[in-house]
Amino acid sequence: GESVGLHLPTLSVQEGDNSIINCAYSNSASDYFIWYKQESGKGPQFIIDIRSNMDKRQGQRVTVLLNKTVKHLSLQIAATQPGDSAVYFCAETTYQKVTFGIGTKLQVIP
Amino acid sequence: NAGVTQTPKFQVLKTGQSMTLQCAQDMNHNSMYWYRQDPGMGLRLIYYSASEGTTDKGEVPNGYNVSRLNKREFSLRLESAAPSQTSVYFCASSEWSGGSTDTQYFGPGTRLTVL
Repeated sequence: GESVGLHLPTLSVQEGDNSIINCAYSNSASDYFIWYKQESGKGPQFIIDIRSNMDKRQGQRVTVLLNKTVKHLSLQIAATQPGDSAVYFCAETTYQKVTFGIGTKLQVIP
Repeated sequence: NAGVTQTPKFQVLKTGQSMTLQCAQDMNHNSMYWYRQDPGMGLRLIYYSASEGTTDKGEVPNGYNVSRLNKREFSLRLESAAPSQTSVYFCASSEWSGGSTDTQYFGPGTRLTVL
């Protein structure tokens, strides 16, 4: 049988709804965080970043929230579109050392 | 401005064969990186080059070598390919001006299969 570890967490969202993707990071000393989007067969693409001295940052249709108390990061996508279907993963950085999460697969239902 | 480019896009090797993956960036970035991506795992760093003329091991360097040919180019070599090296390989670059807020930009990847 297949290993559970091979399956990414999946979030299915209706087109037009908001999506919230979560990430738990491990290092309390991490001071910079990035969300990447990876479409099938392509390289990771930068979406938005946030420094540890902030708790919220907004971009175009995306918002990142940082809760340092519980070491949690979230990515909110407003009015989700079919083109948002991809794997999203977070990265935490401490002095040029970057640790990437496994990712969450976002499926947009038309 | 192409960003980060990688060649080849796909490659099939037999066990024991060698090959070099090429990467180039046109963003005048100081740092370059090689990662591998396997199902169910986050990107894992193989080697990186913080600046032209330097290279350092990452998390999974065994079986690989790198060359920072100049500021633009960073190649990854497999001397004797093994099936465990079947993976998707990504090259990335970043400005690295000394701070920790250093964003990495990725190439399109090379899908390598070792039989």
